[in-house]
Order: sequence, then structure tokens, then C-alpha cells
Amino acid sequence: GAVVSQHPSRVICKSGTSVKIECRSLDFQATTMFWYRQFPKKSLMLMATSNEGSKATYEQGVEKDKFLINHASLTLSTLTVTSAHPEDSSFYICSARQGLAGIETQYFGPGTRLLVL
Amino acid sequence: AQSVTQLDSHVSVSEGTPVLLRCNYSSSYSPSLFWYVQHPNKGLQLLLKYTSAATLVKGINGFEAEFKKSETSFHLTKPSAHMSDAAEYFCVVSNTGGYQKVTFGTGTKLQVIP
Repeated sequence: GAVVSQHPSRVICKSGTSVKIECRSLDFQATTMFWYRQFPKKSLMLMATSNEGSKATYEQGVEKDKFLINHASLTLSTLTVTSAHPEDSSFYICSARQGLAGIETQYFGPGTRLLVL
Repeated sequence: AQSVTQLDSHVSVSEGTPVLLRCNYSSSYSPSLFWYVQHPNKGLQLLLKYTSAATLVKGINGFEAEFKKSETSFHLTKPSAHMSDAAEYFCVVSNTGGYQKVTFGTGTKLQVIP
């Protein structure tokens, strides 16, 4: 089946630094990728939708200058958390969509745990 | 507007006994409903989906769920738990319009006791 990877799986950084998270579709091309954030004991919240070759669409309340998304190729999207602060600590999950719209065509990565000290 | 509530954050069952993970939803329209499973360090995997066809939906690994509109429920069941079923399960509701809005539940952690 379709496989999506994320790198790194976990990262610890100092407050004020920037962190880049990669999301790759390993065996298919994904014109659309999604970034989610999961707080402890909370549901996944969609942060943004990333389309290859165009600007990402951010959900209401998500700071686009804080969470920079780049979808430079059909197999790679990156999320950069700029000037990270402790409140940015969370579990970030990406997904890549293969084919037509519909959540069932989204394949999820294993997630990246970010801890900002 | 739509929302989904997973009534139990943690469920513990003995191996070989039935599994019931509860999910209630609210939606202003006819929704699509899904169950996903997340094993440690793995991505979310689709278990099954309801998209307005048969109300009893069968998924992978012996799981099934029944859509009950009158009760606004979509509970996940399995007749006999296996150790490999231990994971986190998410109930998801989605609209079926042009702009797809997806809402995840808060998850239920299933523990299977040998």
C-alpha cells in the first residue's frame, strides 16, 4: 500500500530556533498533502493543505508566517516551525492524498514529536 | 457544523473477548464516517468507512461498525480481540461537499490483556 514517511520522528530544540519537518510519499505522487497537529488527549487538527507548486491553504487560526509549508515536488512537503516556542510543542502528522478528494484517499505519516525547551 | 465524540479515552479488554469502541457524531448534513487505527510509531490506517451505502460496514482485521442515524452513532466492534489490536482508534466525520471538512475524534486507546 501507499507509504508516507516523516523525518525526523522526534526533535528537541531550544526556544527561538526553527525546525523543519519533512513529509514524503514513498511510492506514489501526491498533488496534495495535509499537515495536522495533535495535542495530548485531543483530536487531530488540520493546520493546512499543501498543493504542489502553489501556496498552502491555512486553516483559521493557524499562523502562516509561523508554520511555513513548502510543497516543492510531488513527493515532498515540508513544515518549518519558525522561532519555535514551548507552546509549539506537539505531535505533527502529515498525510498525502493519492487520487481523488476524500479522506479515505489520504495516507498518513507516523508523525513527528516536537519538544521546544 | 459537525463534531465527533469518542466516549471512552481508554478501553481495556481481555484477549478473545468482544471489543466495543463508541463514537457519536453530529452533522448538519449526511456525513461520511470513518474509523482509523494508529499503532505506535505508525501512521493512521483506514479501518473502514461509511458513505451512505449499507449501514453495517465491514472493515479490515475483523472490525465492523454500524451507522445508526437515529442514535447519531457509529460504534466500532470486533467479536474477539487479538493482542495485535492494541492501538489508538480514531472516529472521523467528514462532509461530502465540494470543500471537504474533516473532524477527528479525540481517540480511544485500546488495551488488550493476555
